[in-house]
Amino acid sequence: DVVLTQTPPTLSATIGQSVSISCRSSQSLLHRNGNTYLNWLLQRPGQPPQLLIYLVSRLESGVPNRFSGSGSGTDFTLKISGVEAEDLGVYYCVQSTHAPYTFGAGTKLELK
Amino acid sequence: QVQLQQSGTELVKPASSVKISCKASGYPFTSNYMHWIRQQPGNGLEWIGWIYPGNGNTKYNQKFDGKATLTADKSSSTAYMQLSSLTSEDSAVYFCASNYGGYWFAYWGQGTLVTVSS
Repeated sequence: DVVLTQTPPTLSATIGQSVSISCRSSQSLLHRNGNTYLNWLLQRPGQPPQLLIYLVSRLESGVPNRFSGSGSGTDFTLKISGVEAEDLGVYYCVQSTHAPYTFGAGTKLELK
Repeated sequence: QVQLQQSGTELVKPASSVKISCKASGYPFTSNYMHWIRQQPGNGLEWIGWIYPGNGNTKYNQKFDGKATLTADKSSSTAYMQLSSLTSEDSAVYFCASNYGGYWFAYWGQGTLVTVSS
């Protein structure tokens, strides 16, 4: 199975600070069809996860543009340019290139 | 708007089975994969499998083979997951999540808490 390693496990930030989360895959997530099926999700406390970014860097409709995704192959990054209070929660990367689909262990974003 | 409405909390006995539902609305149910995901207490997320409601095709995580059975009813736009031979290890929140076109895991249900206890 593909292992997604997220770092850091916990991130403390102040409002307005820019932060980055890394997601490294144990194998390339480039599908033979040319797409890279790497998404980012946010799970707020007591809520289901919600899609933020799909196909590495495409912003889901309604998601603020302070969120951005980048990367290729095995190395991916989620950046938040100016954390806001509503951004607190656990961020997960998830890959659907190789079955079984797998999630990173999560990065908890909290206020410093 | 898109909604995935899951059935309510279940308290079930060890060795029994449970069937939870996920009613979809606001998007083409039959032409989008529906996934099921497990979240054990304090833990991350595990993909259980998907069903394609249009033809009933399924794909499972080998870890859940024999544990989970996915079905779908096109007439009511509802997906189901049956969990069998329950143990305390199966106590978790279970989510349904649908694709939408090229968007994987686009929409999520609110989650169903399953507690296995005698």
